[in-house]
Order: sequence, then structure tokens, then C-alpha cells
Amino acid sequence: DQQVKQNSPSLSVQEGRISILNCDYTNSMFDYFLWYKKYPAEGPTFLISISSIKDKNEDGRFTVFLNKSAKHLSLHIVPSQPGDSAVYFCAASAWGQNFVFGPGTRLSVLP
Amino acid sequence: DTEVTQTPKHLVMGMTNKKSLKCEQHMGHRAMYWYKQKAKKPPELMFVYSYEKLSINESVPSRFSPECPNSSLLNLHLHALQPEDSALYLCASSQFGTSGGQMGNTQYFGPGTRLTVL
Repeated sequence: DQQVKQNSPSLSVQEGRISILNCDYTNSMFDYFLWYKKYPAEGPTFLISISSIKDKNEDGRFTVFLNKSAKHLSLHIVPSQPGDSAVYFCAASAWGQNFVFGPGTRLSVLP
Repeated sequence: DTEVTQTPKHLVMGMTNKKSLKCEQHMGHRAMYWYKQKAKKPPELMFVYSYEKLSINESVPSRFSPECPNSSLLNLHLHALQPEDSALYLCASSQFGTSGGQMGNTQYFGPGTRLTVL
């Protein structure tokens, strides 16, 4: 049973436009959510996180939105750059529990 | 500094070999993790060390043996592996581990070791 879902395996966006990556979860006990970015043959790089007590967190070009009632979060990248092309993993955890990762979305930013 | 280092970057071994993967962090983090990642899949948790004690073993076969010599180092000893064990092995660390507060749970990953078992 997949507790964290990323239903879009891939996404293509034009450089300079907004990239929106989506993540859905089923476990209502999750209270901390993170986004990681991964290039091929490298480890995941932490991008941004959000606690369940917030609905938005912003860091430069990256903003994460959390909709607890819908059990949905999204990562917005504005403006998108070719260097943003990577696989993005959503992860979630409940207090005292380990992370659960989604299957990932491959983002391609086209010049 | 959020650096986790892993050696070697690449490893090729036969099914009868014994080898070790090494992970190091100097962030003062008290939890360290081993993950296995296959192509086009998310990382799968293998082991968690919290305050240098093994706290989680996710039903990993005994041919994988973790060791935490001190709070900065984490090893993964490999013996009699199978070709299906070929994968990217990732190490991560976090400030407080699973019992910590939310920000202390953020895990920082190393670059991984690409393991090929022939």
C-alpha cells in the first residue's frame, strides 16, 4: 500500500515557466513533509520541508504548499531553470517514525 | 555544512567477495541510515542507527551487516551478495533521528556507492 504517491512519473516545462510537482498521501498521522531532488548516480539533495502546522513554506524559487484536508502537497519552482531537471521525491514522516518516500517525478526543463 | 561522504563511489564485487561501504558525517548528527535504491525507484530504508545503537533493521538479509564504530562513522559490510543486490547504496544522517522533533528529522544524504555484484 503506497502511503505517498506522486502520480506524474514525468513532467516537462519550458525554461522560465512555473513547474508544479504534486504529491498525495494517505496516512493522516504524517506531520512533516519534505522534497528532495536527485540527479542520476547521486544522493538525494534536501530542498525544502513543511510542518503540518503550516500551509506554505517558501525558500527562494521553491515553495511548498500543504493542503491537509485533501492530503495533498505541491512543490512550485518559479522560474524553472534547466539545472532543475532531475527526479523529485516527496517524503513524509509521522512523529517518531521513519520517512516514507514517493516514487518520484522526473522534471525536464526545456531551454 | 550538510555533507555526508561515502566511499567508494563505485564497487564491483563477485558473489564470494567480502567488501565494506563507508559513510562519514561531521555535523554532529546522532542518527545515521542506510538505504538501497534501485533504478527508477525511491530509496528503501535498510538500517537506522540512533545514538550509535541499531534501532531499525528493515528485514534485511544477513549478508548485509551494519556497523557504527562511533557517532560520525557508519559501515555496511557485504558478504556473499547476489546479483540482485546491485544498486545504489545511500547513507544519510539526521540531527536527532526518529525520536527527534520535525526539523531534527531532516535527513541529509551522501552521494551513494554504486554497487555491482557479478
